[in-house]
Amino acid sequence: DAKTTQPTSMDCAEGRAANLPCNHSTISGNEYVYWYRQIHSQGPQYIIHGLKNNETNEMASLIITEDRKSSTLILPHATLRDTAVYYCIVRVVNNAGNMLTFGGGTRLMVKP
Amino acid sequence: NAGVTQTPKFQVLKTGQSMTLQCAQDMNHNSMYWYRQDPGMGLRLIYYSASEGTTDKGEVPNGYNVSRLNKREFSLRLESAAPSQTSVYFCATQRGGLTDTQYFGPGTRLTVL
Repeated sequence: DAKTTQPTSMDCAEGRAANLPCNHSTISGNEYVYWYRQIHSQGPQYIIHGLKNNETNEMASLIITEDRKSSTLILPHATLRDTAVYYCIVRVVNNAGNMLTFGGGTRLMVKP
Repeated sequence: NAGVTQTPKFQVLKTGQSMTLQCAQDMNHNSMYWYRQDPGMGLRLIYYSASEGTTDKGEVPNGYNVSRLNKREFSLRLESAAPSQTSVYFCATQRGGLTDTQYFGPGTRLTVL
């Protein structure tokens, strides 16, 4: 799986949009971009994923650049409960196990 | 509907002791996974089972064995625990579709003295 690079930490004011960047410059054509988050001491939670088109669900939006070398996860109105470590994962989707490879992630702190 | 459950939640072992971590799911998912997470690090895959009756090694399988007992249950065994295996262990499941998301259990916190 392609390696991803994320900032170690970010702060965001409550109620504002949180924009979390991820670089994946070596991504190949059959690799999807996934985002998970991990709230302290809990198991990771799926947020969203995409291949090349922008995606939106009830939790977040995912913006993937046209060359697919980077993406941004957007939490439109961050709350204190969104404080967590956010993992950007580039994942080969095939029959060989579909494993997730987690990097260090971005620690997002939402402040009042 | 409990989703993914793991037992025990906490465990302390002495070096050389053995134990089995249990994972069960009630979502009728085909694939199951065991990850470990060391302090301040991301998760690393230990073993996975793409379907009932099959298991395969992940990134860090040494020192572990697994059993896919049936579709619901996937256990992880430490035959002779070492301090380096002190970690939080997460079980995850996936329905089986190629882009399906993985759902994680609450974790087992293991300390090996």
